[in-house]
Amino acid sequence: SYVLTQPPSVSVAPGETATLSCEGYNIGTKSVHWYQQKPGQAPVVVIYYDRDRPSGIPERFSGSNSGTTAALTISRVEAGDEATYYCQVWDGTADCPVFGGGTKLTVL
Amino acid sequence: QMELQESGPGLLKPSETLSLTCTVSGGSFSSPSYYWSWVRQSPGMGLEWVGYIYYSGRTNYNPSLKSRVTISLDSSKNQFSLSLNSLTAADTAVYFCARRTGGNSHYDFWGQGTLVTVSS
Repeated sequence: SYVLTQPPSVSVAPGETATLSCEGYNIGTKSVHWYQQKPGQAPVVVIYYDRDRPSGIPERFSGSNSGTTAALTISRVEAGDEATYYCQVWDGTADCPVFGGGTKLTVL
Repeated sequence: QMELQESGPGLLKPSETLSLTCTVSGGSFSSPSYYWSWVRQSPGMGLEWVGYIYYSGRTNYNPSLKSRVTISLDSSKNQFSLSLNSLTAADTAVYFCARRTGGNSHYDFWGQGTLVTVSS
């Protein structure tokens, strides 16, 4: 089965840039979606299809995907960005979604 | 704006059967564009896909749960449901219902989630 690997935690100071990685075999050939989840809340998509941003999501959020690594980049990080971020792809063979283990972003 | 709302018991005993319902409002429930899913999250853990149902009734389940899970839909009530039998403490989790628009798309609408605790 397909596996996505995310670092458990990333820390960044306010105003800096956070880059969250998501590794998978040939992930560059798949569409990657990113979700933000704050404690006690449902996940919210912040980037879909590698780099598209839903309405209401700040331009500070951007995505990229190539080779074996996809990335979510958050520029000018704010305290309100503190959350756990999950990447997700679709496993066409198994016809099911695959989620990464999540990265907890801490704003120092 | 579409809204999803889970409902069902919050506390069950080992070996019992979990039954949850997701009620969908604010959109076309029976559209062939939508796939309706259940995703769960054990305390302090990540997201785990449980399964989905398509408007036609076609389903697919997580292989690790396949022998215990059934997802059904009731288009007349704009609802879809999850049944999970032979519960153990490992099934304690927040259960979310969610929608995606097919293919390799993302989950664009989620319910708020409901905590199910399995304990004697």
